[in-house]
Amino acid sequence: AQKITQTQPGMFVQEKEAVTLDCTYDTSDQSYGLFWYKQPSSGEMIFLIYQGSYDEQNATEGRYSLNFQKARKSANLVISASQLGDSAMYFCAMRRPSGGYNKLIFGAGTRLAVHP
Amino acid sequence: DTGVSQNPRHKITKRGQNVTFRCDPISEHNRLYWYRQTLGQGPEFLTYFQNEAQLEKSRLLSDRFSAERPKGSFSTLEIQRTEQGDSAMYLCASSLATGSSGNTIYFGEGSWLTVV
Repeated sequence: AQKITQTQPGMFVQEKEAVTLDCTYDTSDQSYGLFWYKQPSSGEMIFLIYQGSYDEQNATEGRYSLNFQKARKSANLVISASQLGDSAMYFCAMRRPSGGYNKLIFGAGTRLAVHP
Repeated sequence: DTGVSQNPRHKITKRGQNVTFRCDPISEHNRLYWYRQTLGQGPEFLTYFQNEAQLEKSRLLSDRFSAERPKGSFSTLEIQRTEQGDSAMYLCASSLATGSSGNTIYFGEGSWLTVV
């Protein structure tokens, strides 16, 4: 079965430090996409970063980078220089070609708390 | 604001009543999705539209749920005879349809439903 696993229910980090949020996935597809979303308490799912299965380089978007290890089927999110506003739920998600890439499969999420 | 817009943001209803949520997607997006998110979980796919056609429905979408997108623009999600188990956040999302895994799906702020 296609599945996303986030093993860290909660993480704490000191402001200005870097933090890594873990994500592993299970799929037999060759082509797929991996996404990270941030969900603050307001509820909106905010797109952070995308990695395609054929991309040779790790994706980066500002302070966010994705540590993609295809053989290990992991797609960890690295947040550098954490800020207080980074405190939120973070979800890893996978998009598969089945049905034309029409849906995302989400993990259970990791709650990140940034301390001053 | 050109993002995905949902309303109402919060709805409290008595068991057995009907409720309807509305979603306005990003204007140029032809795909529209509905997800449901319960506390402590990641969002789960419910259904999606390409233009006005509803192309896929999850088994989570019971007969009491109906979604429409009559003119290929906004969409409504109606829940009839609500049950306490329907209490959740209902997220709407939209994207372009290009058959690529990298096409970002953008989410709205969600509609919280509480059934009492």
